[in-house]
Amino acid sequence: AQKVTQAQTEISVVEKEDVTLDCVYETRDTTYYLFWYKQPPSGELVFLIRRNSFDEQNEISGRYSWNFQKSTSSFNFTITASQVVDSAVYFCALKWGGGNKLTFGTGTQLKVEL
Amino acid sequence: NAGVTQTPKFQVLKTGQSMTLQCAQDMNHEYMSWYRQDPGMGLRLIHYSVGAGITDQGEVPNGYNVSRSTTEDFPLRLLSAAPSQTSVYFCASTETGANSPLHFGNGTRLTVT
Repeated sequence: AQKVTQAQTEISVVEKEDVTLDCVYETRDTTYYLFWYKQPPSGELVFLIRRNSFDEQNEISGRYSWNFQKSTSSFNFTITASQVVDSAVYFCALKWGGGNKLTFGTGTQLKVEL
Repeated sequence: NAGVTQTPKFQVLKTGQSMTLQCAQDMNHEYMSWYRQDPGMGLRLIHYSVGAGITDQGEVPNGYNVSRSTTEDFPLRLLSAAPSQTSVYFCASTETGANSPLHFGNGTRLTVT
């Protein structure tokens, strides 16, 4: 069965701290895709990044970086020097079944305070 | 640059009433889907469609119907609303291609009393 686990329900940090959001997934598919989405307080869902199962290269985009490790079935997301605008719920998701089904984790609420 | 448009944004229903949540996209995406978001449960797939005339069930399809008569539209019908269907509903679309990200609408907040 496909499953995405985001064990951290809520994280609070002070601005400028680094923070890592954990994501662990389960799938029997050999080809799959992983995504991160951000849901700010306004409620919309914003796509952040995708990763293919055969591409373990880590990625950095500004203050955001992602670490994909197949050996531990993890796809963790780090925000460096967090800002108040980073406050949001972050969802990790797994696309499987030939790409027709997307399973989400339960989300991590990140609060960045001054 | 509309993207995925959902209407209405808010809706209150009484138990047993029916309604249709509308979803339209202007990106010529073949794949469309409906999710519901509940506290502590993330987003769960209700129904999806890989093209006009083709629909399939997701994780939580009971109580919901869908149809896909055109590429652009994918309405979600609640035939007899129940309080358990109180939720935020998101419609999403994507290009063909397994690594394509979903583009989400802004959501519909539904309350069933």
